[in-house]
Amino acid sequence: GDSVTQMEGPVTLSEEAFLTINCTYTATGYPSLFWYVQYPGEGLQLLLKATKADDKGSNKGFEATYRKETTSFHLEKGSVQVSDSAVYFCALSRGTTGANSKLTFGKGITLSVRP
Amino acid sequence: NAGVTQTPKFQVLKTGQSMTLQCAQDMNHEYMSWYRQDPGMGLRLIHYSVGAGITDQGEVPNGYNVSRSTTEDFPLRLLSAAPSQTSVYFCASRESGRAELFFGEGSRLTVL
Repeated sequence: GDSVTQMEGPVTLSEEAFLTINCTYTATGYPSLFWYVQYPGEGLQLLLKATKADDKGSNKGFEATYRKETTSFHLEKGSVQVSDSAVYFCALSRGTTGANSKLTFGKGITLSVRP
Repeated sequence: NAGVTQTPKFQVLKTGQSMTLQCAQDMNHEYMSWYRQDPGMGLRLIHYSVGAGITDQGEVPNGYNVSRSTTEDFPLRLLSAAPSQTSVYFCASRESGRAELFFGEGSRLTVL
């Protein structure tokens, strides 16, 4: 079945440091890939997405590139801020209808950014 | 702009009690779903619905019931709560033909 694997956490960085959070997936066909972010005390919200190979999703300074050859969708940001402290989830969906439309999530990773 | 609204935000139950977590969305989304979030487990799908009158099981459906009588509402029922159901529950919805989910703020349930 479909699965998403994220690197183990938590991750603690100093402000303005470079961030990489690894995500790899297993799925048949050509899934869409997502990064969701959960700020303390809130629900998840979509951070960025990519729907086909070599697409780059970007938002709020974060980027991730859909790499079909390595089945990866690593999240990067050049300079993190304290306000980026949150839990980050990688997810995939194999379609938009029926059983394939379900989102499969990774376990999430907690990012803490120190001033 | 209410989006997805969940109630209650916090609930404490004793083993064997029943309760319903409410979820409502005002975006006319056909698809609605319930997830539970546990430490080290990420989010796991409990039940989902692709439209009024249609529901299906997700990854961890045991101990939970759902119904979908209207497009707006998708309640999650625990008929006999167990300590293993202590978790944070999220309701989420999306438009037909799109994969992006919109989440509620969550309901934290503790079963003693």
